[in-house]
Amino acid sequence: NAGVMQNPRHLVRRRGQEARLRCSPMKGHSHVYWYRQLPEEGLKFMVYLQKENIIDESGMPKERFSAEFPKEGPSILRIQQVVRGDSAAYFCASSQPGTGQSSGNTIYFGEGSWLTVV
Amino acid sequence: RKEVEQDPGPFNVPEGATVAFNCTYSNSASQSFFWYRQDCRKEPKLLMSVYSSGNEDGRFTAQLNRASQYISLLIRDSKLSDSATYLCAVKGGSARQLTFGSGTQLTVLP
Repeated sequence: NAGVMQNPRHLVRRRGQEARLRCSPMKGHSHVYWYRQLPEEGLKFMVYLQKENIIDESGMPKERFSAEFPKEGPSILRIQQVVRGDSAAYFCASSQPGTGQSSGNTIYFGEGSWLTVV
Repeated sequence: RKEVEQDPGPFNVPEGATVAFNCTYSNSASQSFFWYRQDCRKEPKLLMSVYSSGNEDGRFTAQLNRASQYISLLIRDSKLSDSATYLCAVKGGSARQLTFGSGTQLTVLP
């Protein structure tokens, strides 16, 4: 039962380094979402991607953050020049194509990548 | 005003109690509604989808009130294992992504 796979599960970076988080969606899913959860806060939407396309990046910080979902391989969330405030859990989720009250409505989450910036 | 609002709690209830959570949303064009459960340092897991007039799954009942723009989750005969944070999520209008409330923390006490 291959769910949404994220790696690394835990990542420690020093201030100024780069963090790369990877996400492989569930089999058959072509839509990927990234969310961030700061300590003691709710899930905040960052970006929604389909293969080779960024569909909605309205939740992405304007600087240092980027995301991609190439034709081959996992989706990657990249954080450049990390700062302590980037310490959070980053969750990837995926869904099937489809709209309305179809299976494409349901979004499934990976186990998360926990970034700590020291 | 936040798009999706929940009472953060905490709700501390004894085993066997019935507990209800509410969640309000601001976008009247929202079409899809969900309840997720999140354990400490774990990912959110889908608990229930809420469509039209709501639905029931065992001890859990979800209701949707479009006129007042809120959804509710009722847990009957609560178990210790129900202790978690319950997140409501709304998919608004044409957007595919979910907007989450900040979650309601539930602790079921022995």
